[in-house]
Amino acid sequence: SQTIHQWPATLVQPVGSPLSLECTVEGTSNPNLYWYRQAAGRGLQLLFYSVGIGQISSEVPQNLSASRPQDRQFILSSKKLLLSDSGFYLCAWSVGLHEKLFFGSGTQLSVL
Amino acid sequence: AQKITQTQPGMFVQEKEAVTLDCTYDTSDQSYGLFWYKQPSSGEMIFLIYQGSYDEQNATEGRYSLNFQKARKSANLVISASQLGDSAMYFCAMREASTGYQKVTFGTGTKLQVIP
Repeated sequence: SQTIHQWPATLVQPVGSPLSLECTVEGTSNPNLYWYRQAAGRGLQLLFYSVGIGQISSEVPQNLSASRPQDRQFILSSKKLLLSDSGFYLCAWSVGLHEKLFFGSGTQLSVL
Repeated sequence: AQKITQTQPGMFVQEKEAVTLDCTYDTSDQSYGLFWYKQPSSGEMIFLIYQGSYDEQNATEGRYSLNFQKARKSANLVISASQLGDSAMYFCAMREASTGYQKVTFGTGTKLQVIP
């Protein structure tokens, strides 16, 4: 069966520090991968999505970046975190054109 | 323009009553898919129901049904016989043919509280 792993669950980082959040999917091949951010009590903002290795589509031109070094690995990064980067980050995957998204358990990021 | 609009930030419903959560969408595509997700306080995202734009019947999954009105571009979620465990955030989402169905856009959500 397919599973998605996302870590860490919580993270507290100072402003200006780097960030690396990792997401891996097991049990499927060539998934579409997604990073979403959710501000407290708000909706889901699509940050990046990827349909294949090295293929990244960016929805938010800010200080975040994403990479897909392997088929089932998706990494969200920042060189210097801002206070506004605080939020709940969710990784998700899907296979097929009309399929639902399967979500990871999320990372609560607090930038102080 | 917002792709997905959920105009109800918060809703209350009495236990065992039915409730409708509104969702309108904006697309010029003929082919698209609509989804509803539930997010309890734990943060996990739980898939509830899916409606394809070419589906003639409204989707149903247990106590969940989707009231799909294509001409009005609305896809309201109906929860019948509400339970205390239904208290959560609910999100409407869409995939469109014009993005190759790759991009999934979410609304801002509705917080549902079920009252005993």
